[in-house]
Amino acid sequence: AQSVTQPDIHITVSEGASLELRCNYSYGATPYLFWYVQSPGQGLQLLLKYFSGDTLVQGIKGFEAEFKRSQSSFNLRKPSVHWSDAAEYFCAVGVNYGGSQGNLIFGKGTKLSVKP
Amino acid sequence: KAGVTQTPRYLIKTRGQQVTLSCSPISGHRSVSWYQQTPGQGLQFLFEYFSETQRNKGNFPGRFSGRQFSNSRSEMNVSTLELGDSALYLCASSGDLSGRGTYNEQFFGPGTRLTVL
Repeated sequence: AQSVTQPDIHITVSEGASLELRCNYSYGATPYLFWYVQSPGQGLQLLLKYFSGDTLVQGIKGFEAEFKRSQSSFNLRKPSVHWSDAAEYFCAVGVNYGGSQGNLIFGKGTKLSVKP
Repeated sequence: KAGVTQTPRYLIKTRGQQVTLSCSPISGHRSVSWYQQTPGQGLQFLFEYFSETQRNKGNFPGRFSGRQFSNSRSEMNVSTLELGDSALYLCASSGDLSGRGTYNEQFFGPGTRLTVL
């Protein structure tokens, strides 16, 4: 069965420090991979996506992620964290069932806190 | 372009009642999906509609239902509410203009916070 694992429930980093959020997926075919961010009480905002091609993808707000097929991973990185990055981050895999594209399988999320 | 809108934003109901939530997708988007978010279960897929037809359904009881109108607006209904239905319900739209299931990213609305007392 398809699944997404985010091993870190909560991470705290200092402002200006680098960040890496881990994501591992289980999916038989080539996955469609996403990172979303959610601020308290808000919906989900797409940070970046991987469909095919270059395995290093750039997103909004200075984020990037690298797809590693051999490790079934899609880790999110940012070289220098800002206080406004404090939020919850979700990794997701898109499952295409017979033409349907609506089924995103999400990880449990990683809550990011930023120390001044 | 206006984003995905959901109404109402907050809702309080009591057990046994039913509730209807509404979602207006981004203009031009024909695929609308619904998700339930709870602290315990996380984000779970409910169902997806495309051109007024349900294309896919998650593992939820029949009390959860939905529909989509010709203008792509969607509603979801939960009947006989239970305490465990308290959650943030998120709607997402995507621009599957071809209708062939070509994968596109989903854009989420702010959600409807449902509290069941």
